[in-house]
Amino acid sequence: DTGVSQDPRHKITKRGQNVTFRCDPISEHNRLYWYRQTLGQGPEFLTYFQNEAQLEKSRLLSDRFSAERPKGSFSTLEIQRTEQGDSAMYLCASSLGSDSNQPQHFGDGTRLSIL
Amino acid sequence: AQSVTQLGSHVSVSEGALVLLRCNYSSSVPPYLFWYVQYPNQGLQLLLKYTTGATLVKGINGFEAEFKKSETSFHLTKPSAHMSDAAEYFCAVRGSGSARQLTFGSGTQLTVLP
Repeated sequence: DTGVSQDPRHKITKRGQNVTFRCDPISEHNRLYWYRQTLGQGPEFLTYFQNEAQLEKSRLLSDRFSAERPKGSFSTLEIQRTEQGDSAMYLCASSLGSDSNQPQHFGDGTRLSIL
Repeated sequence: AQSVTQLGSHVSVSEGALVLLRCNYSSSVPPYLFWYVQYPNQGLQLLLKYTTGATLVKGINGFEAEFKKSETSFHLTKPSAHMSDAAEYFCAVRGSGSARQLTFGSGTQLTVLP
């Protein structure tokens, strides 16, 4: 169990640029989540994958955001035309199977700063 | 819909004193509840969880929490604080939909004074 890995850890970019983050879940975990955390707040749910299928998206996920999990393993989260309000920590989590007793395991996040 | 309220955004205790972090939840279904800890610039680490069964759950690092349905509470306690406990703590409730996503409270920053 190597844990959930996220890359990069930090991203600084200018407003209007596109950014892409990567998440590698724990290898046997078929459920993958993206959350966003702003300063002083708890994480907020963005989207959920079961294997390669994106099954749920939050209203927070505007059309500038897109997420993929092409082979049911790693996932990417892309933000197009970044805005100041996108500055946040983006957290990825994974969990195992259909048993809802299984907890979500979180990565260390990607901190995005928009100049 | 689910929601979580954490009373007290900042809590300070002396080293060796009791830690009590408060969490109240709202859930339309029997709740699954979690406490996570977050150290600076890191992700969230699971401390403990309540799903079904025993209402007093023990977690890592000497923490425990008690599920009280009548009070819709899931407060986190530790008998004796250690300097290494200084961190931010989040209470969360699991969603009832197929995604089972977590809804988090706004967190409590714990400071441990020497």
